Amino acid sequence: GAGVSQSPRYKVAKRGQDVALRCDPISGHVSLFWYQQALGQGPEFLTYFQNEAQLDKSGLPSDRFFAERPEGSVSTLKIQRTQQEDSAVYLCASSLAGLAESVYQETQYFGPGTRLLVL
Amino acid sequence: QQQVKQSPQSLIVQKGGISIINCAYENTAFDYFPWYQQFPGKGPALLIAIRPDVSEKKEGRFTISFNKSAKQFSLHIMDSQPGDSATYFCAATYSNDYKLSFGAGTTVTVRA
Repeated sequence: GAGVSQSPRYKVAKRGQDVALRCDPISGHVSLFWYQQALGQGPEFLTYFQNEAQLDKSGLPSDRFFAERPEGSVSTLKIQRTQQEDSAVYLCASSLAGLAESVYQETQYFGPGTRLLVL
Repeated sequence: QQQVKQSPQSLIVQKGGISIINCAYENTAFDYFPWYQQFPGKGPALLIAIRPDVSEKKEGRFTISFNKSAKQFSLHIMDSQPGDSATYFCAATYSNDYKLSFGAGTTVTVRA
């Protein structure tokens, strides 16, 4: 595809509902990232995948957040029992290389995000 | 804990003017400083980036100035155009890492 795509673009959930957010990275990109962007703030790192391996989940705010990338391409971020403080834009980004392949920083290409509103 | 502090929160500039956005960081291990541009409803897109071995980098109307001793870097948008109206984020990371630490963002409005 031409870029990173995310779906749905908007999601309204009632408090306590589970939600699943999808990310389709650029084809062939090894690295995939999830960020959370609160209103009026910069993105904050949630988790990182290199192919299907989740190498870092240190930014996930609680055990209600779970991410997977089972075949090393599409990724899903799942939030269980949503709370109002989960309301944010969830951004997915991908980059071409994995950690061991490049000393220098690879450009991260961001999707348009999913805006989640928890009522 | 915000590792990169960005200012101002917003600015308004006339067409043809200069927009200046400043960022400061604490972590001396940071060695890669990208700037991202974000339009409403879109994800951030890489605009320009600098490493601390140079003090300035210019790409078209966009220039990054870097002051390693002060741990500060800034983005200058020369000859600002209405199409530059967007939110700009500075960020920082270090070699062999992948996490970007973003500033809070600056909303730039260019008046025609």
